[in-house]
Amino acid sequence: QVQLVESGGGVVQPGRSLSLSCEASGFRFSTYMHWVRQSPGKGLEWVAVTSYDGSDKYYADSVKGRFTISRDKSKDKLHLQLNSLRVEDTGIYYCARVSIATGGRFFDYWGQGILVTVSA
Amino acid sequence: DIQMTQSPSSLSASIGDRVTITCRASQYISSYLNWYQQKAGRPPKVLIYGASRLQSGVPSGFSGSGSGTDFTLTISSLQAEDFAVYYCQQTYSYPWTFGQGTKVEVK
Repeated sequence: QVQLVESGGGVVQPGRSLSLSCEASGFRFSTYMHWVRQSPGKGLEWVAVTSYDGSDKYYADSVKGRFTISRDKSKDKLHLQLNSLRVEDTGIYYCARVSIATGGRFFDYWGQGILVTVSA
Repeated sequence: DIQMTQSPSSLSASIGDRVTITCRASQYISSYLNWYQQKAGRPPKVLIYGASRLQSGVPSGFSGSGSGTDFTLTISSLQAEDFAVYYCQQTYSYPWTFGQGTKVEVK
């Protein structure tokens, strides 16, 4: 079955860096993959996307220039490098798989989420 | 960026009630509108994609409608397991954006 498992979260001081990973299994890792985050008690915020070969990447304005999305095709892993972290980057980070269906594209599978806390 | 505005932000309803949540996009998004349900401590789960297409395994009591800029999620008869937060999402253009969420609570 499809599984997405995030790792790498933790507590970090403002201005420091953190690296998140998402290990995929149960499907061909040839789809666009995304990161979405959710601040404590708040709504969902789309963060970044990468194509299968990494040639197509987009970022939310709030993280552009600080976060980098990448993928290791040989290991079926998605990564998110978080640099220059801010308090407002605190939240649960989810990796999510996109399904392209007739009439739409949507997240059909999500990881369980990993908590990133940015605090002095 | 396309802004998604949901209303209401919260509502109180009883089992068996018909519930309607609306979502408005700040610009045209065709039918690239999805609805998700999220329960506490869990990732979101897609209910409706393409504005009106029911995702496999989702109860038929959920339905979606609309196109262009105005969309609606309807729960025909609220069940106990439907108390949750609902989000709309546009996937018409990057950055993909979500509505702020609608919390459906017990009346």
